[in-house]
Amino acid sequence: GEDVEQSLFLSVREGDSSVINCTYTDSSSTYLYWYKQEPGAGLQLLTYIFSNMDMKQDQRLTVLLNKKDKHLSLRIADTQTGDSAIYFCAESNQAGTALIFGKGTTLSVSS
Amino acid sequence: DTGVSQDPRHKITKRGQNVTFRCDPISEHNRLYWYRQTLGQGPEFLTYFQNEAQLEKSRLLSDRFSAERPKGSFSTLEIQRTEQGDSAMYLCASSKRTSGGYLQETQYFGPGTRLLVL
Repeated sequence: GEDVEQSLFLSVREGDSSVINCTYTDSSSTYLYWYKQEPGAGLQLLTYIFSNMDMKQDQRLTVLLNKKDKHLSLRIADTQTGDSAIYFCAESNQAGTALIFGKGTTLSVSS
Repeated sequence: DTGVSQDPRHKITKRGQNVTFRCDPISEHNRLYWYRQTLGQGPEFLTYFQNEAQLEKSRLLSDRFSAERPKGSFSTLEIQRTEQGDSAMYLCASSKRTSGGYLQETQYFGPGTRLLVL
């Protein structure tokens, strides 16, 4: 079945770049998503990428997609303390209805 | 455009009680989803509606859970005879089905209802 895996923790210093990695299993996923969750809050959509794209850039965020390896990454440039949160990678299920989430990567930014 | 809203934000109940949560989606979003998130995990899909029709239910949705979306707008999720294992964050999301080439249905999430069953 569908599965999404992420590394659980990442610690960076303010101003550095952060790279959060994700692997997924369903090659039929048309879109792949990155969401951000701050403590006690819901999920905020950060960005998404269409499966026929290799890269998408949106201000400080860069998404790279390697469809052959089923690997997705999110790069945050000039990481700020306000970027500290849990980041979830998600793919659509085969029916294109539900999202399948990874367990999330906790990003800790120190000043 | 207001976002997805959920009520209540927090609920504490005793085991065996019934609880009901409400979700108001973004206006004109015809799809509405419920997810459950336990500590240290990503959200897990429970069910979704297209307009008022409940089209898919996860195996996580036991007989004690029921969801409705009577007029295709807001939705309620009821848990009967709550158990301690039901303690979680219940998230609602909505999306708008679009067409033209590939379907793109970004799901927008509400703030969640945190349930604690004592």
